[in-house]
Amino acid sequence: DVKVTQSSRYLVKRTGEKVFLECVQDMDHENMFWYRQDPGLGLRLIYFSYDVKMKEKGDIPEGYSVSREKKERFSLILESASTNQTSMYLCASRWGGYNEQFFGPGTRLTVL
Amino acid sequence: DQQVKQNSPSLSVQEGRISILNCDYTNSMFDYFLWYKKYPAEGPTFLISISSIKDKNEDGRFTVFLNKSAKHLSLHIVPSQPGDSAVYFCAASVGGANNLFFGTGTRLTVIP
Repeated sequence: DVKVTQSSRYLVKRTGEKVFLECVQDMDHENMFWYRQDPGLGLRLIYFSYDVKMKEKGDIPEGYSVSREKKERFSLILESASTNQTSMYLCASRWGGYNEQFFGPGTRLTVL
Repeated sequence: DQQVKQNSPSLSVQEGRISILNCDYTNSMFDYFLWYKKYPAEGPTFLISISSIKDKNEDGRFTVFLNKSAKHLSLHIVPSQPGDSAVYFCAASVGGANNLFFGTGTRLTVIP
């Protein structure tokens, strides 16, 4: 079974803090993704990575950066957290081609 | 601009009856479609997919229908069970690419 794990289920941070969200997958997938989910907006892609050290912007990359130093690990970084980044953050991974994405359990981030 | 739309935010169905969830898309280049189910405080889990070379795909109680001319797909769940109560997202991509476009979700409630 594919397993995607995220470092925290719930996180509370203050405005202006630097926030790291970590994601690890155990299936040797080359592709990894970060989404945020907000009510009425569905899932929106922030960034994805198709290989170590490679990244591509998604639909809403502003205010975020990512890091992929190892194949199994993909980090999302909020350089200076703001209240409008309060959201559910979902990590996913997959093989290439016509294959589904496997999601982690999500991190509920609240920025005060 | 929302390329994948789920126009019904919610749906209630009696246990044992059929649930039909609908999804429309605007991009005629989409050729791979997926349905995900999401329980509260969990990540989405993959349900079923269909490529544009087919018009129907079946997996147990779940069937996805694709109408390319209408740019419409639907998910049928028969018979519906209380455990099916969740938010359902449809998603689409071009050529199996990493960029997956999600709808805003439909909350299904199956009433015992």
